Amino acid sequence: QKEVEQDPGPLSVPEGAIVSLNCTYSNSAFQYFMWYRQYSRKGPELLMYTYSSGNKEDGRFTAQVDKSSKYISLFIRDSQPSDSATYLCAMSRNSGYALNFGKGTSLLVTP
Amino acid sequence: GAVVSQHPSWVICKSGTSVKIECRSLDFQATTMFWYRQFPKQSLMLMATSNEGSKATYEQGVEKDKFLINHASLTLSTLTVTSAHPEDSSFYICSARDRVEPNQPQHFGDGTRLSIL
Repeated sequence: QKEVEQDPGPLSVPEGAIVSLNCTYSNSAFQYFMWYRQYSRKGPELLMYTYSSGNKEDGRFTAQVDKSSKYISLFIRDSQPSDSATYLCAMSRNSGYALNFGKGTSLLVTP
Repeated sequence: GAVVSQHPSWVICKSGTSVKIECRSLDFQATTMFWYRQFPKQSLMLMATSNEGSKATYEQGVEKDKFLINHASLTLSTLTVTSAHPEDSSFYICSARDRVEPNQPQHFGDGTRLSIL
């Protein structure tokens, strides 16, 4: 079993929809959780960074962490075509340490 | 914001040659840099952790004699793929941890696409 599981999609939604992305993990030692956006042939761009359980909101993005269920989510409100990309979840035991990535979910927002 | 530059962004070479990839932190110092590899439709997999002035730590299954890592300064780490073969074709991405803010998320480069013919 991989440490981080993420449905690769693809996920296609109409513009303006609410997008829900999620990951599950098996290592209870993970405490730091991140969501990255990756465009084709580019490096990952950090979207959200959270520590332990709870919610964090930044503009149209909301990250949720449920450590009891080992489940994290990213919600995108009012999705735009420019949000079309691959979204990667990542996590680590300690901040600043090497990351364990999910496989990434490919998102397409259609006009 | 903190910028990590990778060079080259894309390289094509013949089987058997060696290829060097550079990872530079442009506006901060990085005592630690990480090298990841990403195959198509796969996640980023950590290859090695590079610490300035010391030997790199390689993940299980990564051949240290094939993937040579040098981190001679606080702003530069290099990955050399020696005697590259077609199965080494992949997307190589580095990230760097800010020496001043080590607990903040790593900063990623834009990756190097390596194609071995």
